[in-house]
Amino acid sequence: GESVGLHLPTLSVQEGDNSIINCAYSNSASDYFIWYKQESGKGPQFIIDIRSNMDKRQGQRVTVLLNKTVKHLSLQIAATQPGDSAVYFCAENMGYSTLTFGKGTMLLVSP
Amino acid sequence: DAMVIQNPRYQVTQFGKPVTLSCSQTLNHNVMYWYQQKSSQAPKLLFHYYDKDFNNEADTPDNFQSRRPNTSFCFLDIRSPGLGDAAMYLCATSRDGPGRETQYFGPGTRLLVL
Repeated sequence: GESVGLHLPTLSVQEGDNSIINCAYSNSASDYFIWYKQESGKGPQFIIDIRSNMDKRQGQRVTVLLNKTVKHLSLQIAATQPGDSAVYFCAENMGYSTLTFGKGTMLLVSP
Repeated sequence: DAMVIQNPRYQVTQFGKPVTLSCSQTLNHNVMYWYQQKSSQAPKLLFHYYDKDFNNEADTPDNFQSRRPNTSFCFLDIRSPGLGDAAMYLCATSRDGPGRETQYFGPGTRLLVL
């Protein structure tokens, strides 16, 4: 069967709280970043992206912040809901290379 | 709705018995990707097609092959599945690139090897 999986970092929040999920990326030359949400048994779902010429981008209830100085990316979810419970992956890309995924963070939202 | 479709959602095969997983897309995207994802891990890219050009990742085992007969369809062939190949297999597409373009994922096929 499958090899034993790694334990994912987990963030537990209460419904209605704001959530912040962090990601340290590896390549200082990366110029495009994406956040994906993956629910159990499903494929990753695009949430929001940001290019390296920006440091902040907002979507519906989500904000991505990019700090290129320390190679850090964060996803902020406002008024977290139980339906936000999932694993969140950041992914980075440089030029025409393929995406490199981070390790993932599990978000658990309790009612 | 335009989408990425994977069939079947669950596939059971026997150790050493060839198996093929399917992916189709209605997005008319140029690039199609195959990823392997094991429990609690990030997706790992196996290979991708940019139109008809096949691009294999350096560490993808020879046991894994792919075919893209047309823009819409892409197949993953596992010639002799081992127990370690049990995983979720994800297909994704992007309009162009790869790189600098969002990838859209299908729901995945979970492969079980007995």
